Amino acid sequence: EIVLTQSPATLSLSPGERATLSCRASQSVSSYLAWYQQKPGQAPRLLIYDASNRATGIPARFSGSGSGTDFTLTISSLEPEDFAVYYCQQRSNWPSYTFGQGTKLEIK
Amino acid sequence: EVQLVESGGGLVKPGGSLRLSCAASGFTFSSYSMNWVRQAPGKGLEWVSSISSSSSYIYYADSVKGRFTISRDNAKNSLYLQMNSLRAEDTAVYYCARTAMVTNWFDPWGQGTLVTVSS
Repeated sequence: EIVLTQSPATLSLSPGERATLSCRASQSVSSYLAWYQQKPGQAPRLLIYDASNRATGIPARFSGSGSGTDFTLTISSLEPEDFAVYYCQQRSNWPSYTFGQGTKLEIK
Repeated sequence: EVQLVESGGGLVKPGGSLRLSCAASGFTFSSYSMNWVRQAPGKGLEWVSSISSSSSYIYYADSVKGRFTISRDNAKNSLYLQMNSLRAEDTAVYYCARTAMVTNWFDPWGQGTLVTVSS
């Protein structure tokens, strides 16, 4: 099983600051990695797919990078609505999928 | 508008059974693979099961294999998850999610239905 480890567990920042979230895979997943945002009481929403492609309707301040085992989600300038939990997901060993444990982005 | 609405959750005793449903609308349901993902209270996401558009291919996480059965009725635009031999560790919000045709990722997701396994 491919394990995804996200860091940090919690990130405390202020609106307007830059956020950098990390996801590390236990073995190469090539570019088969996605990022999701989940707000309290809501379903996850796809942000980034195939490591660096923004999903439909996702603002340009969200960007993804990386390949192999190390991936980054960057939010260039935090808006109040961006404070949420972020999960990475891999499908390299489809049909099995795994998710990271999540990073909580909170207001400082 | 694409919409997925789960139902069927509730409180069930250990060893019991429950059947979840996911009603789809706003897209050609029969053309898409579908998935179930769960989230234990205060925890992360766990993929549970996937089914191809024509039900030809079905996959399960090891944690539910032999106990859960995924199915679909394309005529009714509905996805199902039959859950048997339920355990306390199956307690979670269960989400259905579409496999997006262009990206092959889970998009969108329903709002989820809570399953609580407790005596």
